[in-house]
Amino acid sequence: AQSVTQLDSQVPVFEEAPVELRCNYSSSVSVYLFWYVQYPNQGLQLLLKYLSGSTLVESINGFEAEFNKSQTSFHLRKPSVHISDTAEYFCAVSSNNRKLIWGLGTSLAVNP
Amino acid sequence: DAGITQSPRHKVTETGTPVTLRCHQTENHRYMYWYRQDPGHGLRLIHYSYGVKDTDKGEVSDGYSVSRSKTEDFLLTLESATSSQTSVYFCAISDGFGDQPQHFGDGTRLSIL
Repeated sequence: AQSVTQLDSQVPVFEEAPVELRCNYSSSVSVYLFWYVQYPNQGLQLLLKYLSGSTLVESINGFEAEFNKSQTSFHLRKPSVHISDTAEYFCAVSSNNRKLIWGLGTSLAVNP
Repeated sequence: DAGITQSPRHKVTETGTPVTLRCHQTENHRYMYWYRQDPGHGLRLIHYSYGVKDTDKGEVSDGYSVSRSKTEDFLLTLESATSSQTSVYFCAISDGFGDQPQHFGDGTRLSIL
């Protein structure tokens, strides 16, 4: 069965430091990949997506993720985080146009 | 933001009572989903709909039923609520199944005493 693994459940980081949130999935076929962000007491918001084309995708608030087919990964990165980036981040994968499979989430805590 | 409204936003009820949560969308998206979110379990799909009166089970469907009589409304019913169903429930919509992103409502916090 397809699975998504977010390798870190919690990531503490200082403000203005770089961060990487890791996501690996198990699928050898074509996939669609998503990162979502959830701020406290809110619903999930789409952060960025990979459907096809360039393997590097960017969001409007400075995050980027790279689709690595050989390593079956879709890690999320930001070169300099802000306090406001503190949130829960979820990776999700769909293969062969089937249901989304969700990772368990990574809690990013940005400290001053 | 996608036009998704969940109601109620908060509810406290007693074990054994029926509970209905409503999801209303103004986007005319074909697909609608109900998830529950619990610490340590992430998001788990309860049921989803791929059209009016077309629904299917997710991974945690026991104890839940759904109905979709109109494109814009997707109801989730707990027929006889149990304490294990205390959770935060999210509705989501999408224009495609796996190849399009889902858009989420703000959630319903349900406590069953």
